[in-house]
Amino acid sequence: SQQGEEDPQALSIQEGENATMNCSYKTSINNLQWYRQNSGRGLVHLILIRSNEREKHSGRLRVTLDTSKKSSSLLITASRAADTASYFCATDNTGGFKTIFGAGTRLFVKA
Amino acid sequence: ETGVTQSPTHLIKTRGQQVTLRCSSQSGHNTVSWYQQALGQGPQFIFQYYREEENGRGNFPPRFSGLQFPNYSSELNVNALELDDSALYLCASGEGFQETQYFGPGTRLLVL
Repeated sequence: SQQGEEDPQALSIQEGENATMNCSYKTSINNLQWYRQNSGRGLVHLILIRSNEREKHSGRLRVTLDTSKKSSSLLITASRAADTASYFCATDNTGGFKTIFGAGTRLFVKA
Repeated sequence: ETGVTQSPTHLIKTRGQQVTLRCSSQSGHNTVSWYQQALGQGPQFIFQYYREEENGRGNFPPRFSGLQFPNYSSELNVNALELDDSALYLCASGEGFQETQYFGPGTRLLVL
């Protein structure tokens, strides 16, 4: 079973609005990553946050990590139609070598 | 573009057949991982190779096997194909373990 659980499953917003996606996980992690996938193609790495970090920024992206709640959020500010994609969180667990993905949030940004 | 390539892009097989999917890692990367992504789901980890040795395996049966070559290219072999093997197969390369992975565009396999 997948460890990461994204919420919501789908999100529809207008261009210019902010989009927030959440991810919860179950076990201790080394790091958590967010990926974007367009139309069933390859995944694009967005940002990696380590277990000892609480917040990271990259351009219009802001990621937070709360290890006490085993959760993370991805905020996309001033969304664009080109941000329409599926977004996945993925965790690398302590003591293991596999990266575990959630089922993803499907984001639709309407122009 | 990540520099990771996969071939073929699409493939149709029948149940019981065998298939080999190929991946060429990004230059300088010594780790490759393979994932299966069913429609509407997140990628599921199949296995990882590091310097030609299997380094970890997900919950997939032995009919899923792989190889990593000295030039760090890789193959995923699936024997005795089942209908449920229909999916997008993704490979990802990286430097070492548990860091940023760079994904290829995937091979879409349809088993009839």
